[in-house]
Parts: sequence; C-alpha cells; structure tokens
Amino acid sequence: ETGVTQSPTHLIKTRGQQVTLRCSSQSGHNTVSWYQQALGQGPQFIFQYYREEENGRGNFPPRFSGLQFPNYSSELNVNALELDDSALYLCASSSIAGATYEQYFGPGTRLTVT
Amino acid sequence: DQQVKQNSPSLSVQEGRISILNCDYTNSMFDYFLWYKKYPAEGPTFLISISSIKDKNEDGRFTVFLNKSAKHLSLHIVPSQPGDSAVYFCAASPYLIQGAQKLVFGQGTRLTINP
Repeated sequence: ETGVTQSPTHLIKTRGQQVTLRCSSQSGHNTVSWYQQALGQGPQFIFQYYREEENGRGNFPPRFSGLQFPNYSSELNVNALELDDSALYLCASSSIAGATYEQYFGPGTRLTVT
Repeated sequence: DQQVKQNSPSLSVQEGRISILNCDYTNSMFDYFLWYKKYPAEGPTFLISISSIKDKNEDGRFTVFLNKSAKHLSLHIVPSQPGDSAVYFCAASPYLIQGAQKLVFGQGTRLTINP
C-alpha cells in the first residue's frame, strides 16, 4: 500500500510569486484535504476535494485554489504570495465512502516566502 | 476562535510511567475525535480515535477517554517509551454529513520521555 506523497519537499519563493504544490493520495482513497501548519501551531484546514470538486473550504482567501485529478492526486496553488504564507503545507487523503474520519498525511512541503 | 485547545505546550515523563495528554473543545457539533503524533520533518501520523457515542477506546499502550459533558478528552500512554517523544495533536471533526470531512486541530503538546 502506497502512502501519501508530496512534492517538492522544500520551496523558496519571493513575495508576489505563484506556487504549485503536489500530492498523491494513498491508494484506495478518493478524497484529498490540504492544511497549512504555521510554526508552533496545529494544522489549519484549507480545503478538501472529492470527485474532482471542492467539497468544503476553511478561512482562506480565493488566492488559495486547488485541483483534484481523476487518479485522485491533487494540486494546491497559491497566487500573489505573502510573507505570512510561509508554512508547512500538508496534504491528507481519506475515503468518504468508508464513512470514517481518519485522514492520512503526507510529509508536507515547507514553503518559505521572502 | 480556538475550538480545540491543548493547554499544555509541553510535557516531560519518565520512561515506563504514564503519559497523559489533555484536550478541550468548545464546539458541541464535533462528533469524532482523533489523536495524531508528529515527528520533526514528517507529517502527522494517525494514532487513535474515538466516536462521540463512546467514552473510551483502547489500542495497545494507547487509550483515549472522552467526557462529552465536560467537552474534554485525554490520551493515556502506558508505559511511556523513548520513541513516544514527539508532538501530539488532538483533532476533532463535525458530523460527516455536514459537508467536508474537516479536521480541527489543537496547537499540539510536545511530549518528552526521559530515560
């Protein structure tokens, strides 16, 4: 069974630029969620994708957007980067059909905005 | 508005003793609760969960207790081992039928097991 993978591991961007982060879900899972974890805080829910559509969103502005592909992999796009976007971005996969709440996380992408 | 709170940023326990990590929540719509463990440079790892219809769930050395009236849950680790040293996050989720399968996390507690 393949776990959740994310790429890249680390990324440095300049304020105002755009970034794309990628995630491959665990086999058998059809739902992908994205979280932002600032230093010293718990992960915060950005949004979730199910059947290639956004299935719920947290308190993040529209410049945070995403995609889910037919193979259930996903992308997180952030436009007009701000210094406060520096954080660890976590992807988690789960299965709504399984009617369970457990989400399984990837190792994360560390984004630094300068 | 912090709906899930872990009021102890850190906890130090001697190897072999019991570790007790606490978590409080404010939203009565939370239906399911989970604990995750996180090592540096890794994503959170699912540890154990509990549904709101139960008050206790055990898995090996790990037991989670839920007190719905107090909106409080705790994770007990017995006996504590050096490999348990990590940051522990409490998370909660509302009813699945209410849209996204969203997890709301606490700030985390850093557990250190001393030999």
